[in-house]
Parts: sequence; structure tokens; C-alpha cells
Amino acid sequence: KAGVTQTPRYLIKTRGQQVTLSCSPISGHRSVSWYQQTPGQGLQFLFEYFSETQRNKGNFPGRFSGRQFSNSRSEMNVSTLELGDSALYLCASSETVGPSTDTQYFGPGTRLTVL
Amino acid sequence: AQSVTQLGSHVSVSEGALVLLRCNYSSSVPPYLFWYVQYPNQGLQLLLKYTSAATLVKGINGFEAEFKKSETSFHLTKPSAHMSDAAEYFCAVSFTGGGNKLTFGTGTQLKVEL
Repeated sequence: KAGVTQTPRYLIKTRGQQVTLSCSPISGHRSVSWYQQTPGQGLQFLFEYFSETQRNKGNFPGRFSGRQFSNSRSEMNVSTLELGDSALYLCASSETVGPSTDTQYFGPGTRLTVL
Repeated sequence: AQSVTQLGSHVSVSEGALVLLRCNYSSSVPPYLFWYVQYPNQGLQLLLKYTSAATLVKGINGFEAEFKKSETSFHLTKPSAHMSDAAEYFCAVSFTGGGNKLTFGTGTQLKVEL
């Protein structure tokens, strides 16, 4: 099976713009989670989707949003970009929702640079 | 609230030496604990996970970790380091009812020297 794919891999934007990142989970996986990784804050949970419903949300401002489609593909959007949004955005997929029995597989990430 | 603390942001070992990466957790409910590895410019790869089935967990690439409730620890070990083990390692925690949300430690960069 193909792994988790994220597009684009690299992105450069300027302050005030908005950006959309895409994640295609492993075939058959219905849960998608998003994380932000920065040198200063480390890995932080953004949100989780399962069957097109947001199940969990991290402590991020409303500028960060996401959605999941019927084919389990997910997108996240960041509006009004700030310099501090520069980060590696990681997507992870799993078959269901359940840390005891499920394994999350991470994609390679999208490196966002905000100038 | 759940959290993990990784002691030592950088660890250096000689090739062939024991690898010990430390992780302590804080959780008000029974935790699920994970170790992930990240190579440069890549995502995270699961090394192993603790789900209460056994306190000693064996993972990939010769790594293992022992869950010690009395010490609230989940340290990662490997008997003999290899050059290819050089990477950043993250400890993470989740819990029943938290979905797939992982709370990560700050990471430990492992350097392996000849």
C-alpha cells in the first residue's frame, strides 16, 4: 500500500495570505490527524477527523481549520498567515480511532515558510 | 492532563554502545505510550507502543522500552547503537477517550559516533 502523501512538500507564502495543505491517507484509513512541528513549540496537535467529522481539536486559533472528504482525504487551511505559522505540518492516518489498537502512520510533511 | 518529559535534548553514544533515551509521563488516567523516530526531512515512524498488554515492549530496529508505573517512566533502549540510529526520537502519550491525539515530548537528538 502507498503511504500517507502530503502535497505540496514545500510552500512559501507571505504574511496575510492563506494556504491550503492536502493529505491523502493510506487506503482504507478513515482517521486523519494534523500536527504542527516547530523548533520552539515542538510537535503540537491541531485536529483530528474521522468519517468527515472533526473529533478533536488542539489549542490553535480559529485561523487554522480543516476538513475531511468522503474519500478520507483531508485538507487544512490557514488564513491570514503570520510569521509564526512557519512550520512543518504533518498528517497522520489510521484505520479507526483508538490508541490501544490502532497505529498512526505519518506522512513526510509540508514545509511552510511564511515571509 | 497528560504530558511527557524527555530528559536530554541531545544524547551522544559510540557505535556499539547502549542507547538509553529517557521519557517520563504524567497522566491522570491509564496512558498509552509511544516512541517515534524522525529522520531528517521525513515524517515520524513508530518504533513501539505500550497499550497495557505487557510492560516490556519490543519494537522495530532492535529498540525496546519498559513501562514502569511506579517511576512513571517509559525509557527507550537499544543494546548496541548503529550509525543508522542517528535521528530525533519522540516520546508521546495518549489515552482512551482522547481519540488519536498524541501529546509529544520535546524530542531527543541521538548522535552516534565512530
